[in-house]
Amino acid sequence: DIVMTQSPDSLAVSLGERATINCKSSQSVLYSSNKKNYLAWYQQKPGQPPKLLIYWASTRESGVPDRFSGSGSGTDFTLTISSLQAEDVALYHCQQYYSTPTFGQGTKLEIK
Amino acid sequence: EVQLVESGGGLVQPGGSLRLSCAASGFTFSSYWMHWVRQVPGKGLVWVSRINSDESSTTYADSVKGRFTISRDNAKNTLYLQMNSLRAEDTAVYYCARDLYNSGRTDAFDIWGQGTMVIVSS
Repeated sequence: DIVMTQSPDSLAVSLGERATINCKSSQSVLYSSNKKNYLAWYQQKPGQPPKLLIYWASTRESGVPDRFSGSGSGTDFTLTISSLQAEDVALYHCQQYYSTPTFGQGTKLEIK
Repeated sequence: EVQLVESGGGLVQPGGSLRLSCAASGFTFSSYWMHWVRQVPGKGLVWVSRINSDESSTTYADSVKGRFTISRDNAKNTLYLQMNSLRAEDTAVYYCARDLYNSGRTDAFDIWGQGTMVIVSS
């Protein structure tokens, strides 16, 4: 299975500042035939199920604020929140769907 | 409103069985691959199983293969997970989730239920 490793495990950012979460896969999740990265990001608030934010590494799901963006290719990916809002406090997960789906361990985002 | 609602969780002894259900509404259930994903509270997510739209294809994580069975009833818009020979390490919140696309499978998940807790303990 592809191992997904997120960094950092936790992150504290001031309101209005940029938050960056990294995700690394143990092998490439870029499918050569369609040039798509099989990588998704989810947000999970306490007591709630995960919510899809980003898929194909950089496609924002409908209704997701544009302060959320995804980037990267191959094995290295980043979720960026351009200006942190109080409602963004959550656990963030990356997931590869290139092969049997696997998730990162999660990154806890808090307000500094 | 597109919605998934799980039920059937609870406390069960090691070696016991439980059947989870996931009722779908607000979309054409029969068009989508469906999945089960579990999460130990406070920990990461783990994919468990998937089933295609007409039940002809099922896949399982190695950790549950031979013990869990995924199925669906498209007439009832309901997904199931039959869990047998349960172990303490199966303790988790179980989520049903819809595949991102209704044409083919991606293994990304755009709709999640609220989850149902399964506790395996004596």
